[in-house]
Amino acid sequence: GAVVSQHPSWVICKSGTSVKIECRSLDFQATTMFWYRQFPKKSLMLMATSNEGSKATYEQGVEKDKFLINHASLTLSTLTVTSAHPEDSSFYICSVKVRAFRTEAFFGQGTRLTVV
Amino acid sequence: DAKTTQPTSMDCAEGRAANLPCNHSTISGNEYVYWYRQIHSQGPQYIIHGLKNNETNEMASLIITEDRKSSTLILPHATLRDTAVYYCIVGRDNQGGKLIFGQGTELSVKP
Repeated sequence: GAVVSQHPSWVICKSGTSVKIECRSLDFQATTMFWYRQFPKKSLMLMATSNEGSKATYEQGVEKDKFLINHASLTLSTLTVTSAHPEDSSFYICSVKVRAFRTEAFFGQGTRLTVV
Repeated sequence: DAKTTQPTSMDCAEGRAANLPCNHSTISGNEYVYWYRQIHSQGPQYIIHGLKNNETNEMASLIITEDRKSSTLILPHATLRDTAVYYCIVGRDNQGGKLIFGQGTELSVKP
């Protein structure tokens, strides 16, 4: 399967600052990437779909100006949490869709964001 | 996408088979049943998927009822490392990474 790497694994930032999270597909070109967030003891919630070379599609209720997604290449998507606040503290996870694997999703290890 | 219903939690003795049920009574004809699991503080991991026939791979077996309204994931010899939240998801083929997660079943494998 595809190997997906997220960076950083964890980050602590001050309220009001912006944080960038990277998601890389290491061995396959990812036509599409997805971003999820997960609160403690809760399930994953899809935030947005990221297609290489085009604008991301956000799920209802997700602020696109708050969570900026850039999919600059077939192997890299970034999620920037702008002007982060404590309520943005969460576990952010990306997944990739690989053309060679039609049905499986490959997930990164996640990024734990804590805003203080 | 069809909704799924799973028990909130289950226990299983190490070395025994773990049978995790899932109800998906509104599944449509072109929707698959997918199973993923999430070990604490990690990203989800694909386990298996199926349409109507039973499936088996190196990790698990998937039994789908004839009417396709429910399924069971079987871990034949559970180990402590199988302790995780297991998600049953219904979706179309080529769903890729756009998955709608329910609450899943928290499986605890005990020595």
